[in-house]
Amino acid sequence: ELKVEQNPLFLSMQEGKNYTIYCNYSTTSDRLYWYRQDPGKSLESLFVLLSNGAVKQEGRLMASLDTKARLSTLHITAAVHDLSATYFCAVDFQGGNYQLIWGAGTKLIIKP
Amino acid sequence: NAGVTQTPKFQVLKTGQSMTLQCAQDMNHEYMSWYRQDPGMGLRLIHYSVGAGITDQGEVPNGYNVSRSTTEDFPLRLLSAAPSQTSVYFCASRLLGANYGYTFGSGTRLTVV
Repeated sequence: ELKVEQNPLFLSMQEGKNYTIYCNYSTTSDRLYWYRQDPGKSLESLFVLLSNGAVKQEGRLMASLDTKARLSTLHITAAVHDLSATYFCAVDFQGGNYQLIWGAGTKLIIKP
Repeated sequence: NAGVTQTPKFQVLKTGQSMTLQCAQDMNHEYMSWYRQDPGMGLRLIHYSVGAGITDQGEVPNGYNVSRSTTEDFPLRLLSAAPSQTSVYFCASRLLGANYGYTFGSGTRLTVV
């Protein structure tokens, strides 16, 4: 079964702290995506990770991929309130005919 | 460059009614898809297309039809609306082979009463 699991599903943290969101998936993937969604809004692409060991950074967010462990992480450094949102990972599984499978999302609340 | 345009943004239907959600993109993307998003869940793929004249089912296709007569347009038809189809619907597109993410429309919030 093609599965993508995120944890935690909910995270409340203080500004200035660091934290990591985890994304596990069940079988070999072609691509792994991270998206951000603000309440009532559409989804914004953050990162696309293509190969083992890939690391991408944008501001206070850094995403990495370990294909052997079937694990991706989204690390938040020195969180600020503006990063409050729901973060999703999604996986293009090999041979999956472009069918993205999504995690349930991590709702992140950053308190001033 | 408009990206992915979805209409309408909001819709209320009565059980048994039919309607079409519109999706258009102006980026010449081969791949287009429809997702539904329900509270507490990730997105679930309804139908997708890799080019004009080609469509296929996703994870939750029952109760929905699609067609792809042009590269730009990918409408989603609800045949006989049911309360279980109350959801937020997103259209997304991508250039096949490109190493960047899917582009999403702004969504359609559908309520079936």
